[in-house]
Amino acid sequence: AQSVAQPEDQVNVAEGNPLTVKCTYSVSGNPYLFWYVQYPNRGLQFLLKYITGDNLVKGSYGFEAEFNKSQTSFHLKKPSALVSDSALYFCAVRDPLSGYSTLTFGKGTMLLVSP
Amino acid sequence: ETGVTQTPRHLVMGMTNKKSLKCEQHLGHNAMYWYKQSAKKPLELMFVYSLEERVENNSVPSRFSPECPNSSHLFLHLHTLQPEDSALYLCASSQDRLGNTEAFFGQGTRLTVV
Repeated sequence: AQSVAQPEDQVNVAEGNPLTVKCTYSVSGNPYLFWYVQYPNRGLQFLLKYITGDNLVKGSYGFEAEFNKSQTSFHLKKPSALVSDSALYFCAVRDPLSGYSTLTFGKGTMLLVSP
Repeated sequence: ETGVTQTPRHLVMGMTNKKSLKCEQHLGHNAMYWYKQSAKKPLELMFVYSLEERVENNSVPSRFSPECPNSSHLFLHLHTLQPEDSALYLCASSQDRLGNTEAFFGQGTRLTVV
């Protein structure tokens, strides 16, 4: 079975400060990991993914995430937050050995960036 | 825009009504999905279609009936829904269902059952 946990319901950060949104996962093999963002009344937008290779993945809008196999984590980061980054962020995992196409999503973390 | 279009954006229906949600993608993707998003709950995968064949059905009540007439279109037919079915219904597509490609989501249909 595969699962993903986002331990924080909400993260608050001041504009210009670095931000981190946490994600941990559980799969039986090597995971495919994804981050998505959802703005109000919109669908999910893809930010970045880790499949293999370099543990530090860079994505859209200045976001990056670091894959840490020993800690089974894939935290989302940005060096300097913008007010416009305020949104709901979802981490997702797929176990490529499972034979199923299911992307398992976390429950989401609301990021609020204050001016 | 992600290339995945859903209509309608909002829908209010009574418990005895029949309605359909529509999803369209022109990205050349072979897999399409229906998700349900309820407040404070993880996204729930409802159905998966690959090359127009339903390949996964995650214990969804029969009052939800999907249809995939071709690789670009996906429908979700609704009948005799319950108030707890009120949610945001998201359609997504990806190049294929077992690869490492990301899914592209539509903007969703906000469904309210009264």
